[in-house]
Amino acid sequence: DTAVSQTPKYLVTQMGNDKSIKCEQNLGHDTMYWYKQDSKKFLKIMFSYNNKELIINETVPNRFSPKSPDKAHLNLHINSLELGDSAVYFCASSQAGTGNTIYFGEGSWLTVV
Amino acid sequence: QQPVQSPQAVILREGEDAVINCSSSKALYSVHWYRQKHGEAPVFLMILLKGGEQKGHEKISASFNEKKQQSSLYLTASQLSYSGTYFCVGNAGNNRKLIWGLGTSLAVNP
Repeated sequence: DTAVSQTPKYLVTQMGNDKSIKCEQNLGHDTMYWYKQDSKKFLKIMFSYNNKELIINETVPNRFSPKSPDKAHLNLHINSLELGDSAVYFCASSQAGTGNTIYFGEGSWLTVV
Repeated sequence: QQPVQSPQAVILREGEDAVINCSSSKALYSVHWYRQKHGEAPVFLMILLKGGEQKGHEKISASFNEKKQQSSLYLTASQLSYSGTYFCVGNAGNNRKLIWGLGTSLAVNP
C-alpha cells in the first residue's frame, strides 16, 4: 500500500552512463516532484509537474529530463552521469488546495563512480 | 527567499526541551514542518496557515506569528525518537512552490 514508490532504491553506476529512476503515486494527487538531497542534507527541488504539465523547472543541467506519462507517474532520466550527480533523489506528490502537504517516496540513492 | 532556520544543530539529553526557529523575509501564505530521520524520507509534521496560530502534535507543537514571517517548533520532554533533521518549509503564496529551509539537525541522547 505504498503511497509514493520509486525504483530503484540503490543505484551504483559509472560516469558517463545514462540511468532512469521511476516514480509512481497512488494517492490521486495532481502534483508530483523530484527533489535532490546532497551529502549536506540540503533538499533542492528539481522539477514539479501538475497534471502532467511541467510547472517548476529549477536550474538543473539539461542532462536531467523528467517525463510524466500520466499524473500518477513521474520518471527522471539522467544522461552522461557525473560524479556530482551522486545524491539521494526523492520523488514526492501533493494535492493542490490542501496546503500542498508533500508525501515523499523512500528515495533513490545514486552513486556515480 | 529561503526560510532561515536556527539553530543549525542542537544536541539534547532525553527529556530536555528545544525550540527551532524559522524566519522569512516576507510574509508566508503557510509554513510547514517536516522531520527527516537518518536514511529516511522527510515526513510531514504539521502546517500552519493563520497568523497567530498555534498547533500541537503530541509533544511537538508549533506557532506562526501574527505577521506570518516567523514560525517556531517546540519539542518538549524530548525522546530518542525525535532525533533527525527538522525542515521549515515556506509557501510564499504561489500554491505550487514550497521553499525549504536548510534544516536543523536534532540529536537526542540517552
